[in-house]
Amino acid sequence: LAKTTQPISMDSYEGQEVNITCSHNNIATNDYITWYQQFPSQGPRFIIQGYKTKVTNEVASLFIPADRKSSTLSLPRVSLSDTAVYYCLVGPRGVDDKIIFGKGTRLHILP
Amino acid sequence: GAVVSQHPSWVICKSGTSVKIECRSLDFQATTMFWYRQFPKQSLMLMATSNEGSKATYEQGVEKDKFLINHASLTLSTLTVTSAHPEDSSFYICSARDYGAGNTIYFGEGSWLTVV
Repeated sequence: LAKTTQPISMDSYEGQEVNITCSHNNIATNDYITWYQQFPSQGPRFIIQGYKTKVTNEVASLFIPADRKSSTLSLPRVSLSDTAVYYCLVGPRGVDDKIIFGKGTRLHILP
Repeated sequence: GAVVSQHPSWVICKSGTSVKIECRSLDFQATTMFWYRQFPKQSLMLMATSNEGSKATYEQGVEKDKFLINHASLTLSTLTVTSAHPEDSSFYICSARDYGAGNTIYFGEGSWLTVV
């Protein structure tokens, strides 16, 4: 399983765009990149998943360069409710393939 | 997105007793589910992979006789903490892959266990 490295914490302000970058230098060919959000005392919530280039959904965008050794989660116009821990996970999507969590990034949104 | 439900959300039990936590995939079938443990301010730690109809696969360092996992059907996995002790107090989270959603993993709401 590819190891991931993220900033431990980040601060931003309401209304700003927040970009969280994750490094995964040993990503394998069949690995996908998935981001989760976790609030205290709740299970992680799926945000977005991608393999290459750019993926966008109603809550975020995921940018993946051609070499796939890193990825950036972009949250547009954050609000206080976006304060949470964000995890970048890299791995295959087979039925039995397990997900190993790194330390995640604690994002704190300030008013 | 797909829904994975856990029950109970929180439970308090006496030291030495056993407690069961259920994990259900509500709108998809899951041949494989995963159980995690999380301590405050820390990341999720994978405990075991639960396989429908067969024995669970435990991660290194996880006591299989203490944390009994049963995957009785394609929508239900249970984690039983046997002879619980205060050090077993933690937040337990399950997850499952949804075939119909690009094999995306969805997580349950989590279950707080407090052993007194």
